[in-house]
Amino acid sequence: ILNVEQSPQSLHVQEGDSTNFTCSFPSSNFYALHWYRWETAKSPEALFVMTLNGDEKKKGRISATLNTKEGYSYLYIKGSQPEDSATYLCALQFHTGGFKTIFGAGTRLFVKA
Amino acid sequence: GAGVSQSPSNKVTEKGKDVELRCDPISGHTALYWYRQRLGQGLEFLIYFQGNSAPDKSGLPSDRFSAERTGESVSTLTIQRTQQEDSAVYLCASSFSGGITYEQYFGPGTRLTVT
Repeated sequence: ILNVEQSPQSLHVQEGDSTNFTCSFPSSNFYALHWYRWETAKSPEALFVMTLNGDEKKKGRISATLNTKEGYSYLYIKGSQPEDSATYLCALQFHTGGFKTIFGAGTRLFVKA
Repeated sequence: GAGVSQSPSNKVTEKGKDVELRCDPISGHTALYWYRQRLGQGLEFLIYFQGNSAPDKSGLPSDRFSAERTGESVSTLTIQRTQQEDSAVYLCASSFSGGITYEQYFGPGTRLTVT
């Protein structure tokens, strides 16, 4: 069974703090890694898709890195704002004749003003 | 443009009844995914459609679950003889293709409650 592990499970930070969380996966099964942001009462929204070892992606104050050899990805948020409060999901996509996607349980971020 | 839509948004049903959930993907998206999230748990893959290829059904939890998709359009997820453990939010997502570089666009979900 393929496991995508995310840590921490939840995180409470103050407005202005920078923070990061981890997604780890079996490196031998890597094909592509996605990060999604899921706000309460909304649909998950794609942040990044990464495929190559060493990939770094950035969108505003949010960035992500990928290490396929050791099987982990980091998501960074610089200067957290209350509107960043959400669950951040990591998903591993691999080929089984199609492109099955396995999600981690997510990191729930709370940013206090 | 229009996003992924799902109906109904909420469904309450009695144990043992059949339910049908609908997903309208974004026009032009060839890949369609069904997931569910049970209370306190992460997103669980159920089934994946890619164009006219045979679907990947490896995530369906039991033979009470089935899904269909006609071409590259609407998909329906059917749960027969519902059980209380089927209570969850069922999410549908679509993407341009099954290709690994394409992000998935999610619908608002259907909240299913089995009493």
